[in-house]
Amino acid sequence: QSALTQPPSVSGSPGQSVTISCTGSTSDIGNYYRVSWYQQSPGTAPKIIMYEVSSRPSGVPGRFSGSKSGNTASLTISGLQAEDEADYYCSSYTDSSTYVFGTGTKVTVL
Amino acid sequence: EVQLVQSGGGLVQPGGSLRLSCAASGFSVSNTFMTWVRQAPGKGLESVSVLYTGGGGITYYADSVKGRFSSSRDNSKNTLYLHMTSLRPEDTAVYYCARVTRQYYFDFWGQGLVVSVSS
Repeated sequence: QSALTQPPSVSGSPGQSVTISCTGSTSDIGNYYRVSWYQQSPGTAPKIIMYEVSSRPSGVPGRFSGSKSGNTASLTISGLQAEDEADYYCSSYTDSSTYVFGTGTKVTVL
Repeated sequence: EVQLVQSGGGLVQPGGSLRLSCAASGFSVSNTFMTWVRQAPGKGLESVSVLYTGGGGITYYADSVKGRFSSSRDNSKNTLYLHMTSLRPEDTAVYYCARVTRQYYFDFWGQGLVVSVSS
């Protein structure tokens, strides 16, 4: 199972919006709404910020939103804040009953 | 409160073996899907193993570890294990255990353990 494809980095100024794409195949993203997103700061475990494409766990700010079209999922951060600077990973359930992660995207707040 | 506390990482020579433990509290591992995820230095996340309940408790492994790694649970200790054999330098990574929800995402993670395979 190949990793899902994400851009290595995205950046934006405080208050701006950034979108991270996550491209897979018909064996994962294209076949399920079981796409999740994780935020990881250096030296810490990943933290869930989005599940089932567009559902936010309790405590995750509303400026995070998710969507999916075909084999590509997206995470948008609206009103970027300094604390959003981190690595972000998408993940999808697959036809093999396993999970595949994205290559990861570093979000930089300018 | 849900917690996952990991133990057992360290330095091992190529070809060696190591067992990681993941002690759970606040829920029962016997009826919960669980997973092991690893992250090589400076790299992304990789799902290593997924343990399902029911139907005999099927476990799936990534191709990169199939035949070398095995996952198990001790329900009496409420603990998950990852048994790693024939270790290779490319297995060097931080290893995390995590709980898998019925909505197919990982909600609670262990603190992570460093496994270093080197001579």
